[in-house]
Amino acid sequence: GAVVSQHPSRVICKSGTSVKIECRSLDFQATTMFWYRQFPKKSLMLMATSNEGSKATYEQGVEKDKFLINHASLTLSTLTVTSAHPEDSSFYICSAPATGFFQETQYFGPGTRLLVL
Amino acid sequence: QKEVEQNSGPLSVPEGAIASLNCTYSDRGSQSFFWYRQYSGKSPELIMSIYSNGDKEDGRFTAQLNKASQYVSLLIRDSQPSDSATYLCAVNWQTGANNLFFGTGTRLTVIP
Repeated sequence: GAVVSQHPSRVICKSGTSVKIECRSLDFQATTMFWYRQFPKKSLMLMATSNEGSKATYEQGVEKDKFLINHASLTLSTLTVTSAHPEDSSFYICSAPATGFFQETQYFGPGTRLLVL
Repeated sequence: QKEVEQNSGPLSVPEGAIASLNCTYSDRGSQSFFWYRQYSGKSPELIMSIYSNGDKEDGRFTAQLNKASQYVSLLIRDSQPSDSATYLCAVNWQTGANNLFFGTGTRLTVIP
């Protein structure tokens, strides 16, 4: 199956700093990638859709100026959490669709656990 | 408001038994349905996808879809302790749309 990687897998930072998370599709091209956030014992919540060559689309309630998304190439999307605060501590997961049948299946990266002190 | 509902569990079954996981969704026009398995601290792993009414079998897993009842289920036969995880039901709201809406997940524990 398709492989999606994320880096870093875990990051601890001080409040007020910015953190960049990378998402790469390793063996396929992805014009679209998705960023999710998952709090402990909660389900995944879609934050934004990353589009190669154009602006990201953010879900309602997600601050675009705080969560900067850049889809630099067909295999790389980055999420930058700017001025991180303890409430931003979460598990961030990206996914990319791999076109198969008429409906597309998404493959998830391994996730990045962010802890803001 | 579009919703995907699952019983949060925990659901406990003995090893070798059948585990039955259920999911209902609110949007009648939903087109594609997925079951993901998520181990603690890990990202979701796709187990099954189903698009048409009826059953779809893959090894020990069977997905069942009933669009009229807006219901999708996952059966795990011969449950193993390694099946212990949280199972997430996900629904794609629109044909061709590239995003999923997830249920809250059902935590399954298989007791040796």
